[in-house]
Amino acid sequence: QSALTQPASVSGSPGQSITISCTGTSSDVGAYFHVSWYQQHPGKAPKLIIFDVANRPSGVSTRFSGSKSANTASLTISGLLAEDEADYYCISHTSSSTPTPVVFGGGTRLTVL
Amino acid sequence: EVQLVQSGAEVKKPGESLTISCKGSGYDFSTYWISWVRQMPGKGLEWMGRIDPSDSSASYSPSFQGHVTISLDKSITTAYLQWGSLKTSDTAMYYCARTPHNGDFPRWFDPWGQGTLVIVSS
Repeated sequence: QSALTQPASVSGSPGQSITISCTGTSSDVGAYFHVSWYQQHPGKAPKLIIFDVANRPSGVSTRFSGSKSANTASLTISGLLAEDEADYYCISHTSSSTPTPVVFGGGTRLTVL
Repeated sequence: EVQLVQSGAEVKKPGESLTISCKGSGYDFSTYWISWVRQMPGKGLEWMGRIDPSDSSASYSPSFQGHVTISLDKSITTAYLQWGSLKTSDTAMYYCARTPHNGDFPRWFDPWGQGTLVIVSS
């Protein structure tokens, strides 16, 4: 079981907006702004699309946006395109008692209908 | 261009040893950690550990501590992930990722290597 909880799947039609949630605790998502999101197409390496909760790396579409409220971070994709169909993962820094400094979400499969 | 290039796929037998590599280029290798991440077939991402090229210190997830070793050769800007005795359960894709950090805080993972597929089968 992953430390951060994501929905297993979400879907949307082209042009629509979808939001993927990432729920943690007051020791990770709720405590820090080091939350990042990654897109992974089948057979490919993950790609950073959001860092520090809401920042986009250079070259990432403005259709991707991130936010956080309390212990839940969210990734919103607007104007869905077929190419957005992929798996999405959230990652957060954690101050929990384990020596592992990061916790991962279990991933969300986005299907573009 | 910042990139990490990993070594090729490996097929091994249980009990054998293995080292895979990750070569960084296009940036100051000493400034960023290199993290290793496992992805088992059809599953999610798991952080295995990281190494700090500035002092070669490594830190591991408890799930992997004692089973793998992370090392590097700064002179050739290459990090390594090593197994002394592979198990069939080590079959997975392994990614390295450049990791900017704030003290002991990893901030994000970017870019990622292309992945190294390790298959362990008798």
